[in-house]
Amino acid sequence: EVQLVESGGGLVQPGGSLRLSCAVSGFTLSDHSMDWVRQAPGKGLEWVGRTRNKANSYTTEYAASVKGRFAISRDDSKNSLYLQMNSLKTEDTAVYYCARDTQYYYMDVWGKGTTVTVSS
Amino acid sequence: DIQLTQSPSFLSASLGDRVTITCRASQGISSYLAWYQQKPGKAPKLLMYAASTLQSGVPSRFSGSGSGTEFTLTISSLQPEDFATYYCQQRQDYPLTFGGGTKVEIK
Repeated sequence: EVQLVESGGGLVQPGGSLRLSCAVSGFTLSDHSMDWVRQAPGKGLEWVGRTRNKANSYTTEYAASVKGRFAISRDDSKNSLYLQMNSLKTEDTAVYYCARDTQYYYMDVWGKGTTVTVSS
Repeated sequence: DIQLTQSPSFLSASLGDRVTITCRASQGISSYLAWYQQKPGKAPKLLMYAASTLQSGVPSRFSGSGSGTEFTLTISSLQPEDFATYYCQQRQDYPLTFGGGTKVEIK
C-alpha cells in the first residue's frame, strides 16, 4: 500500500526553525517528484515547493512566500522527504502535507499532514 | 503567477442534484488542470487530472471538461459522500496554484 506519513510539526516561536519529515512506503521514492502543500487554519491549499525525481536531478522549485527560508531535501535510501523551515513567521502556521506526483506531475497520494504553529 | 478563480465559492444542493463547479484561469493553461476533493480534517484527494481524465477509483459520476482558461467539474448525481470542498489546481507554470475552493453542502 502506498503511504505517506508526515512528522515533525509543533509549536515554534517566530524566527525559529523546524524540520518536517515525510516517510514514504509502497513505492520507489527516486522515481517520483514530491511536493509540500500547506493549509492555514480555515483557508485553502497553498503549494510550498517541489523536488523533482532522480531522473530530473532532484531539482527544486519553491513558492515565493517561502523561497530563501524553506528548503526541500530527500533521502531516497531512507524513503524520506524533508522540509527544513527557517525564519518562521506567524503566517507559516498551517497543516503541512507531503504529496507524491504522478508522471504527469499531478499530486495523486497525500499524507495526513502535520501541524505547524508559529506563535510567541 | 497564474490565478485560478472558482465559482461558486459555496454551493447548497440536494442528494441526486447535478452540480457544476467552474474554475477560470488568469491565462491559458492548456489542459494542465486537476481537481481535488477535501473533507474536513482530511487530506485532499485527486479526482481528475489533465482537465478531463478520471483518477483511478473515482466514481464515474464525476466528470471534468475545459481547456485554455475555463474548466468545469460536474457531479452528475450528488451522493452523501460528495459533500466536501473542491479545489482546482494548475500545473502549467510555477508557482503551482490552487483555486480558492468550492464548498458543497447539503440543502
